[in-house]
Amino acid sequence: EVQVVESGGGLVQPGGSLRLSCEASGFTFSEYEMHWARQAPGKGLEWISYIDVNGDTTYYPESMEGRFTSSRDNAKNSLFLQMSSLRVEDTAVYYCARANYFQGKYWYLDLWGRGTRVTVSA
Amino acid sequence: DIQMTQSPSSLSASVGDRVTITCRASENIAKFLSWYQVKSGRAPRLLIYTASNLQRGVPSRFSGSGSGTDFTLIISGLQPEDCGTYYCQESYSVPYNFGQGTTLEMK
Repeated sequence: EVQVVESGGGLVQPGGSLRLSCEASGFTFSEYEMHWARQAPGKGLEWISYIDVNGDTTYYPESMEGRFTSSRDNAKNSLFLQMSSLRVEDTAVYYCARANYFQGKYWYLDLWGRGTRVTVSA
Repeated sequence: DIQMTQSPSSLSASVGDRVTITCRASENIAKFLSWYQVKSGRAPRLLIYTASNLQRGVPSRFSGSGSGTDFTLIISGLQPEDCGTYYCQESYSVPYNFGQGTTLEMK
């Protein structure tokens, strides 16, 4: 089955760190760019990270630069999101998603996981 | 940053209705626009990519149109399973913003 499954969420104190994982199966993970997005309680979707196929290029919103780091291990079909200096407002369900392309330039997120919940609280 | 503004924020409709959701970008994004459906506890689902292309497996009652700054998602013949929250997303430039969402409920 083609899928991505997130894990690693949990309860963490403000200022703490957490590493999320996303395991891919059913497709050639190393051929796809990947993204992370999140949804805080009662809020909308928020894009938080992009990583290219080799892990050489990453993008983040300015508000997360320096706190969030995306990486991947293609040999293990896995994507990671290292989060540090966590804040109460980082509480959310975190999703990984696969990017696909149309006509070589228009990308979209065609495969999402069910997410992993992160709660930042004292 | 490109801001994405959806309207309405919420709506209530009946089975069989035609539902229209709009998404406006703060600058020209050509056709770099996707639509997603989100239901609680489930993986978000891609509906439309490149503004008007229907994702494989998505019912044909869903359609998208637009380019530049103004985009529309239409559901023709609403079904009970269409309840959820709908988001547009621009894929033109970082930070690839989503719209604020449109929550669709059944009357």
